[in-house]
Amino acid sequence: EAGVTQSPTHLIKTRGQQATLRCSPISGHTSVYWYQQALGLGLQFLLWYDEGEERNRGNFPPRFSGRQFPNYSSELNVNALELEDSALYLCASSSALTVYTEAFFGQGTRLTVV
Amino acid sequence: SQQGEEDPQALSIQEGENATMNCSYKTSINNLQWYRQNSGRGLVHLILIRSNEREKHSGRLRVTLDTSKKSSSLLITASRAADTASYFCATDPMNYGGSQGNLIFGKGTKLSVKP
Repeated sequence: EAGVTQSPTHLIKTRGQQATLRCSPISGHTSVYWYQQALGLGLQFLLWYDEGEERNRGNFPPRFSGRQFPNYSSELNVNALELEDSALYLCASSSALTVYTEAFFGQGTRLTVV
Repeated sequence: SQQGEEDPQALSIQEGENATMNCSYKTSINNLQWYRQNSGRGLVHLILIRSNEREKHSGRLRVTLDTSKKSSSLLITASRAADTASYFCATDPMNYGGSQGNLIFGKGTKLSVKP
């Protein structure tokens, strides 16, 4: 069974540009989560999508947005990139939101803003 | 804000020794999960322990949970060089109406196992 896949693996953008990151969840999983892992800040929750709807978002500005498609894959968009957006962006998926649900992560997209 | 705090921040041991990492958290939780991360890549799910469980085993891993102290520990027995990685605990905070889908991670313990 394929795990969570993310693309691209690496992305280099210039300040002010937009970045689009993609995530395919494990087959059968309906929930997708996005996390940012920036140096020195640890893993920070960004967004949670379930059944195509945004269910929760972390403490990030509106220029971080995304969506979930009917096939449950997801896209994270970061507009007006700033240098501090450079980080590893991790996507996770889970089968259903119960309190005992394990979240499985992909390998991440490393975004570098220059 | 970071809920989970791992201790120690770094741990260096010899192959064959046991490694113990601790995690403390602040609020009531639904469950607690441990993850491993190699060289800044993706997270590998190790084990989930429910709030009503006290101990769980998986291969060489043993996890304990003490909800009265709001703490958990991860024990890796007979460590191997391949266990070298960063280990994170992640809590699913309890909210009215159920989980809010946001795992809260600690800053991790960097484990180095020397051959």
